[in-house]
Amino acid sequence: EVQLVQSGAEVKKPGESLRISCQGSGYSFTNYWITWVRHVPGKGLEWLGNIDPSDSYINYSPPFQGHVTISADASISTAYLQWSSLKASDTAIYYCARHLVAAAELDYWGQGTLVTVSS
Amino acid sequence: DIQMTQSLSTLSASVGDTVTITCRASQSISRWLAWYQQKPGKAPKLLIYRASNLQSGVPSRFNGSGSGTEFTLTISSLQPDDFATYFCHQYNVFSPWTFGQGTKVDIK
Repeated sequence: EVQLVQSGAEVKKPGESLRISCQGSGYSFTNYWITWVRHVPGKGLEWLGNIDPSDSYINYSPPFQGHVTISADASISTAYLQWSSLKASDTAIYYCARHLVAAAELDYWGQGTLVTVSS
Repeated sequence: DIQMTQSLSTLSASVGDTVTITCRASQSISRWLAWYQQKPGKAPKLLIYRASNLQSGVPSRFNGSGSGTEFTLTISSLQPDDFATYFCHQYNVFSPWTFGQGTKVDIK
């Protein structure tokens, strides 16, 4: 069974760093890209970027480039999303999802990670 | 960026109804469009890809159509399990991916 299991909810203060994870199982991790999407309450979904775990090629959405870092460790079938300095506006539910090629539908999603940034 | 507009944020319907949800792109995306269903507290579920292809395991009462800038998701004979939020997603390779705001189908 294909699963993407994300790390648990986080509560952080502005300026703090954070890394959340997404572990794939039930499929060959390097055969699929991983995308990160966020859902801010009251707004639609926003695409942050994606990574090809086979070679760590990354695409960032322009509004998020420089603010988040996407990475992957294929040896443990895990992708990461990290921030070096969080802002209150980063408060959202973050989802990972897999897709077969660079531009493709998202066929399996993680359960989501709630990140709350508040002083 | 390509803007995806779902004109209805909420749609009220009854079991057995046929509902149509629309999604409009601000520029042509050919058929690079997917539809997802999401229930509260759950991960989104892929229903339709490349505008009209039914994802494996999804009931045939879900139907997608359209190309270019106008797309529709039709749910025939609405079932109790179908009350959820539906959103579209464009994955044109030449531009950042974007999503519609979602249409919540609730019980009339």
